[in-house]
Amino acid sequence: GAVVSQHPSWVICKSGTSVKIECRSLDFQATTMFWYRQFPKQSLMLMATSNEGSKATYEQGVEKDKFLINHASLTLSTLTVTSAHPEDSSFYICSARGVSGNDYNEQFFGPGTRLTVL
Amino acid sequence: SQQGEEDPQALSIQEGENATMNCSYKTSINNLQWYRQNSGRGLVHLILIRSNEREKHSGRLRVTLDTSKKSSSLLITASRAADTASYFCATDGGGFGEGTQLTVNP
Repeated sequence: GAVVSQHPSWVICKSGTSVKIECRSLDFQATTMFWYRQFPKQSLMLMATSNEGSKATYEQGVEKDKFLINHASLTLSTLTVTSAHPEDSSFYICSARGVSGNDYNEQFFGPGTRLTVL
Repeated sequence: SQQGEEDPQALSIQEGENATMNCSYKTSINNLQWYRQNSGRGLVHLILIRSNEREKHSGRLRVTLDTSKKSSSLLITASRAADTASYFCATDGGGFGEGTQLTVNP
């Protein structure tokens, strides 16, 4: 099956710094990428949907100036957590949707990035 | 977003028994996928079922889809302790269910 990678796997940063998380689709072109965050023992919460070449659509309650999403190519989307604070500590997961092999419109998830803000 | 909802929220069974989890969603879909997640780990894709399919099998997994009821079920047969995990459904619109925490006792 298709593979989606995330980098870094985990990151620890100081409060006030910005952190960039990359999401790559390795063997297919992802026309749409989704970003989620997950708190311990909870489900994934969709943060935003991004289509290649256009602005991301943010879910209600998600600050677009806080969580900057760029989907500049069909294989790469980035999430930048700006001026991170301890409450931003979470598990961030991306998924990519596109045409892959014989399957169309399938969605594949990355392994996640654990962000800890001190 | 098309948020899915799973029930039950938690399920505890003995090894060898079958486990059934249900998922409902709100709007039209092209496909629905089931995932599992071990505590603190990433998601593992289990199976995808398309809107024109009613049932799909993969090993010990059986997924059904009823688009008229906007619901899907995941059946794990002959469960094993290693099946202990959280199970989520997700629709192609990006929505993600709350998950069912399955515990299989040896």
